Amino acid sequence: NAGVTQTPKFQVLKTGQSMTLQCAQDMNHEYMSWYRQDPGMGLRLIHYSVGAGITDQGEVPNGYNVSRSTTEDFPLRLLSAAPSQTSVYFCASSGETYEQYFGPGTRLTVT
Amino acid sequence: AQSVTQLGSHVSVSEGALVLLRCNYSSSVPPYLFWYVQYPNQGLQLLLKYTSAATLVKGINGFEAEFKKSETSFHLTKPSAHMSDAAEYFCAVTRYNQGGKLIFGQGTELSVKP
Repeated sequence: NAGVTQTPKFQVLKTGQSMTLQCAQDMNHEYMSWYRQDPGMGLRLIHYSVGAGITDQGEVPNGYNVSRSTTEDFPLRLLSAAPSQTSVYFCASSGETYEQYFGPGTRLTVT
Repeated sequence: AQSVTQLGSHVSVSEGALVLLRCNYSSSVPPYLFWYVQYPNQGLQLLLKYTSAATLVKGINGFEAEFKKSETSFHLTKPSAHMSDAAEYFCAVTRYNQGGKLIFGQGTELSVKP
């Protein structure tokens, strides 16, 4: 039981490049979420999903896309990276008790 | 809309002293409340949660929190701080039918002095 896994752990992008952050969970959780963490701002919700095929926007969705074709996977796509997207990204999943389990994070730098 | 405010971005205590981290929430419906801890360069780990059962909630590592509806608060306490408690602590809120949508406070960094 690996819990929530994220890849890659570190990534450096140039402005304008695109990439996908991968997230997978093996707990059969219906809810999955993406957050970004910036100093002094806590974690802010980017997008979330309440089940396969269903996604919705969080607090800071601009510049990011998501899809959820399976229960296990919830990738986050950066369409055209900007320096403002330099951050640490966390994926999380939760079941019917609503407590979220977090992955180890991806540290992204955009130059 | 729901929101969370954590009072104090940095708290410093001596080893063995009481730990008190403050959290106030705003919610128009009964909230589900959580405290998470984050050690350096790691993900978040759940300390405890309130989901409308007992108002005094006990968590891991000796931490507990009390839900006070009249004060809209969910403060985190530990009677005696240990060096290993040094970390960042986050309070978060959601509500029924919003399982993927946690709203976090800004975080409180706890330092423990020997």
